[in-house]
Amino acid sequence: AQSVTQLGSHVSVSEGALVLLRCNYSSSVPPYLFWYVQYPNQGLQLLLKYTTGATLVKGINGFEAEFKKSETSFHLTKPSAHMSDAAEYFCAVSDSGGSNYKLTFGKGTLLTVNP
Amino acid sequence: GAGVSQSPRYKVAKRGQDVALRCDPISGHVSLFWYQQALGQGPEFLTYFQNEAQLDKSGLPSDRFFAERPEGSVSTLKIQRTQQEDSAVYLCASSQDRVNTEAFFGQGTRLTVV
Repeated sequence: AQSVTQLGSHVSVSEGALVLLRCNYSSSVPPYLFWYVQYPNQGLQLLLKYTTGATLVKGINGFEAEFKKSETSFHLTKPSAHMSDAAEYFCAVSDSGGSNYKLTFGKGTLLTVNP
Repeated sequence: GAGVSQSPRYKVAKRGQDVALRCDPISGHVSLFWYQQALGQGPEFLTYFQNEAQLDKSGLPSDRFFAERPEGSVSTLKIQRTQQEDSAVYLCASSQDRVNTEAFFGQGTRLTVV
């Protein structure tokens, strides 16, 4: 069984500061890893994904994440926060085998950006 | 269509009432998924269709939940005899192929059972 842990249900940063949202996973098979963002009253939007290859993945809106197998982590970062980054962020995992269609999500981290 | 469309956006049901939630996926997308998102939680998988075939329904919480996609496009999630614990946002997603490397989500239907 897979699981995802997002450390910190709420993260607050100042505009221009580094954003770091933490995600750890457990999986019995090599995983696919995802970060989604959810703005109020909107659906989930894919920020970035890791499937195979380069472990540092760049996504939209200046976000990136690094897959670290030894730490079972996939933390999301952005060098400089913008007010428009305020939203809820979800880390998700699927396996790379027969059930690769099924996403297991973390509980989410609400990002607040202060002016 | 331009994106995944779900209707209604909001639904209030009396306990014991049956409800039907509709999902229009992106045209041509083979895979369709339903997820349930309770307040303060991440989405949880309910069921998966590849075209009209329901290949996985392991996440449906009880036999009161039923999903169909008869022509391989529009899908309906039906909940019979709704209970308060069914209150949640129901999200539909579609992807172009079987491998879920990018699923596009709809805005969801917020169901409140009173």
